[in-house]
Amino acid sequence: AQSVTQLDSHVSVSEGTPVLLRCNYSSSYSPSLFWYVQHPNKGLQLLLKYTSAATLVKGINGFEAEFKKSETSFHLTKPSAHMSDAAEYFCVVSVSGGSNYKLTFGKGTLLTVNP
Amino acid sequence: NAGVTQTPKFRILKIGQSMTLQCTQDMNHNYMYWYRQDPGMGLKLIYYSVGAGITDKGEVPNGYNVSRSTTEDFPLRLELAAPSQTSVYFCASTLPRGASYNEQFFGPGTRLTVL
Repeated sequence: AQSVTQLDSHVSVSEGTPVLLRCNYSSSYSPSLFWYVQHPNKGLQLLLKYTSAATLVKGINGFEAEFKKSETSFHLTKPSAHMSDAAEYFCVVSVSGGSNYKLTFGKGTLLTVNP
Repeated sequence: NAGVTQTPKFRILKIGQSMTLQCTQDMNHNYMYWYRQDPGMGLKLIYYSVGAGITDKGEVPNGYNVSRSTTEDFPLRLELAAPSQTSVYFCASTLPRGASYNEQFFGPGTRLTVL
């Protein structure tokens, strides 16, 4: 079985300060990990993905995440927050093969960016 | 490519009514999924399909039905709408490319209210 825990339901930062959104996962097999972003009343957009090629993954809009197997973590970071980063962020785990590529979503972290 | 499209965008139903949420993708993806999103709960898998003529239940299938007669279309049917089905519904698709690459592409969502 696989699961995802997003450690913060809400994170508030000031514009120009760093962003850290925390995610821990559990998986019996080698996982694929994703971060998706959802802006208000919009669909989900892929920010970045980890598929075992490199542990530090760079995504769109300056976001990156580091896969740490020993800590079962996949935290999302950005050096400097922008007002347009305000959205909900989902950490997602997937195991291929027998699970039919199903995704398991975290409950989401709402990022607020203050001017 | 239009990607994943969903219709309608919004709908209000009365208790006991039925409706079909439409989902179409033009990427020739064989895997398709239906999710529902409730506030603070992330996305939950309702049904999925690994190809035309093949469907299976996800985590929360009760009250829903699906069919998959073509690669492109994956409609979701609500037979007797209940207030508990008030939610935002997302359709997604993917084309698995091996053991560890399974990014899903999402439609814009259908916001359903049952009164």
